[in-house]
Amino acid sequence: EVQLQQSGAELGKPGTSVKLSCKVSGYNIRNTYMHWVNQRPGKGLEWIGRIDPANGNTIYAEKFKSKATLTADTSSNTAYMQLSQLKSDDTAIYFCAPLMYTTEPFAYWGQGTLVTVSS
Amino acid sequence: DIQMTQSPASLSASLGETVTIECLASEDIYSNLAWYQQKPGKSPQLLIYDASSLQDGVPSRFSGSESGTQYSLEINSLQSEDAATYFCQQHHDYPFTFGSGTKLEIK
Repeated sequence: EVQLQQSGAELGKPGTSVKLSCKVSGYNIRNTYMHWVNQRPGKGLEWIGRIDPANGNTIYAEKFKSKATLTADTSSNTAYMQLSQLKSDDTAIYFCAPLMYTTEPFAYWGQGTLVTVSS
Repeated sequence: DIQMTQSPASLSASLGETVTIECLASEDIYSNLAWYQQKPGKSPQLLIYDASSLQDGVPSRFSGSESGTQYSLEINSLQSEDAATYFCQQHHDYPFTFGSGTKLEIK
């Protein structure tokens, strides 16, 4: 069974960057497309983008193209998302969720990482 | 981008009742519609995929249907554990988009 372990909560100052991780067990990350979704406090879900760990190819939602950078390390079966130029609006829970095919629903989710942006 | 308009934003129903939540897609998504349940402090859990297919382990009181670009989630015989927020999501095309959510309260 696929299991996802995300890194712990982050507190970042405005203008800085944070890098979140998502370690996969039970499945080879090279055989997935790793997606990231966020949820602002009390709000809905927002798709950020996805990476193909096998070749590093990425697709981003337009609004996250200059905000998020997705990478993956196949040797450690871990996906990463860096958020840059943090603003208070980036305060949210960030989830990773793998897909085995390009378009299908999210059957597996990480537990989420809370990012709080505050000076 | 495909817009998913979800309604209602909230509803309250009694134990044993039936409720329906709807999502309207802004264009044809060819039944590539999923429903999720999310409880406070938890990750979303997949209930329904491909508009009407029940995810393994999900109680049969949950069902999905479609009519054109209108998709519905029905929950029969409401149980106390169904209190949660429900989201729809189109998984037809990037960027994936979600409905705004429906908060279900059990009286």
